[in-house]
Amino acid sequence: EDQVTQSPEALRLQEGESSSLNCSYTVSGLRGLFWYRQDPGKGPEFLFTLYSAGEEKEKERLKATLTKKESFLHITAPKPEDSATYLCAERAGGKLIFGQGTELSVKP
Amino acid sequence: EAQVTQNPRYLITVTGKKLTVTCSQNMNHEYMSWYRQDPGLGLRQIYYSMNVEVTDKGDVPEGYKVSRKEKRNFPLILESPSPNQTSLYFCASKNGSPGNEQFFGPGTRLTVL
Repeated sequence: EDQVTQSPEALRLQEGESSSLNCSYTVSGLRGLFWYRQDPGKGPEFLFTLYSAGEEKEKERLKATLTKKESFLHITAPKPEDSATYLCAERAGGKLIFGQGTELSVKP
Repeated sequence: EAQVTQNPRYLITVTGKKLTVTCSQNMNHEYMSWYRQDPGLGLRQIYYSMNVEVTDKGDVPEGYKVSRKEKRNFPLILESPSPNQTSLYFCASKNGSPGNEQFFGPGTRLTVL
């Protein structure tokens, strides 16, 4: 069964303290690994799509990377406005399977 | 403005009273989908539609129905709601190309008493 697991469940950082979020997936023949950001009470907002091992994408303080079994979302020098829940998802056919998310809190 | 809209945003109802949550997108997207989000379980896909008159089950379709008669609309129907369908529901859409981002609606918070 296709599965997506994210760790940690919650992460508290000080402003400027860099860290990484992990997303491991089990689907064979990955057709896309997605990262989303979700603010409380709102719908998820798309960040990145990755397709193949070794691929990297960046947006402001965020960089997503992909290996054969997992993806990382690196956050460099985070700011309080980066506080949100970060979701990863894998595409399996027409379906999108989400992990449970990592709740990130960045304190000033 | 490109967007996905859902109505209602909040709904409290009673067990067994049929309800429909509407979803509409103005981006001419082929693909539309419904998710529910529950604490500890994350986002789970209920149904999706690759195009008009084409729908398929996601991971948790039991107790739900959908229809796709027009490209822009994808209503979610609960024929006989039960308390375990209390949840936060999201509609999403994207164009047909693989990997393209899904645009999510603002969510509908449903409580079934």
